[in-house]
Amino acid sequence: KAGVTQTPRYLIKTRGQQVTLSCSPISGHRSVSWYQQTPGQGLQFLFEYFSETQRNKGNFPGRFSGRQFSNSRSEMNVSTLELGDSALYLCASSLGGASSYEQYFGPGTRLTVT
Amino acid sequence: TQLLEQSPQFLSIQEGENLTVYCNSSSVFSSLQWYRQEPGEGPVLLVTVVTGGEVKKLKRLTFQFGDARKDSSLHITAAQPGDTGLYLCAGARHGNKLVFGAGTILRVKS
Repeated sequence: KAGVTQTPRYLIKTRGQQVTLSCSPISGHRSVSWYQQTPGQGLQFLFEYFSETQRNKGNFPGRFSGRQFSNSRSEMNVSTLELGDSALYLCASSLGGASSYEQYFGPGTRLTVT
Repeated sequence: TQLLEQSPQFLSIQEGENLTVYCNSSSVFSSLQWYRQEPGEGPVLLVTVVTGGEVKKLKRLTFQFGDARKDSSLHITAAQPGDTGLYLCAGARHGNKLVFGAGTILRVKS
């Protein structure tokens, strides 16, 4: 079974631009979660989507948004990029049931904002 | 403040030594997971513990969930260079939302 895939793997943007990251979950997984990982803050939860609806949300500004499509694929968008948005963005998928806590991560997208 | 405190933050040991990584919280979790992450890759799930007092073994790795489901430990016996990586614990609360510890960077020297 193929794992979680994320595209692109690397991205360089300038301040003020916007960016869209893509995630394809493991086949059959209906939940997709997004995380930001930085050396200083560690892994921070952004949001989770299940059946095309945002089910959980972390403490990030409204510049960070996401969506999920009917095939469970998900995209994350960051608008008006800031230098502090430079990070590894990780997507994780799970079955999504009430007790399915196990998440399977993709390799991440390394975003650099200059 | 971190909801999950991991210690130590960094560990550098020789091949063959034993080590323990701790994950502590004042909160109760429905379950707790341990992940290992290598540079440039996403975290890989090692184990999930659900029941208070539960002990799980994965080859040379032993995971324990505290009786009160507030803490966990990961013990590695006879560490090998291939064990090098970032070890993360994550607690599940409020459904599928995971809270991660800051991680323990392990370096095993040959």
